[in-house]
Amino acid sequence: DTAVSQTPKYLVTQMGNDKSIKCEQNLGHDTMYWYKQDSKKFLKIMFSYNNKELIINETVPNRFSPKSPDKAHLNLHINSLELGDSAVYFCASSPQGNMNTEAFFGQGTRLTVV
Amino acid sequence: GDSVTQMEGPVTLSEEAFLTINCTYTATGYPSLFWYVQYPGEGLQLLLKATKADDKGSNKGFEATYRKETTSFHLEKGSVQVSDSAVYFCAVITGANSKLTFGKGITLSVRP
Repeated sequence: DTAVSQTPKYLVTQMGNDKSIKCEQNLGHDTMYWYKQDSKKFLKIMFSYNNKELIINETVPNRFSPKSPDKAHLNLHINSLELGDSAVYFCASSPQGNMNTEAFFGQGTRLTVV
Repeated sequence: GDSVTQMEGPVTLSEEAFLTINCTYTATGYPSLFWYVQYPGEGLQLLLKATKADDKGSNKGFEATYRKETTSFHLEKGSVQVSDSAVYFCAVITGANSKLTFGKGITLSVRP
């Protein structure tokens, strides 16, 4: 069983479209994250949710909107996609964000905007 | 905020060579430290961790010791294999901000 699963794995879309990436974790964790990895492999946190509540919102364009229907799911919706949004997006979860514990990562979604 | 500095890469080694990848951090409070590995085309996997000063994390022949006095968490392996070729990330988390902060990552290539 996959602990943190993301769909789709690959996403190719045109500029201006709206798309969503879904994430689910079956680990019973309280905290979930979205990270963006650029072409140079640099990882930057975008959002963090704890028990469905937003706790971290880095400087991310408001075209990006996370949604957490329950603590096992954290989806990422992106409006009006731009070329610069092309990257690999990783979902992650951890038992409880304030306990200094490691995060478990999904396999990533490679988004290509053309 | 927290930050992590890793040595510049990429690094290319011959099989059975000794590996050191440097990592230093700045963080408030009492951070936990991690090394993650990303194999080609895959997500990040936790390689090892240390949660307090002088702790040594180890896994698959890799080791790193939490050095509070030098704010470092260098990764070492005595004899690398071709299968160790991957990108390695040092990371820090403090409970204050619940944010796992990564270094820039370093690509390791091991030649047969």
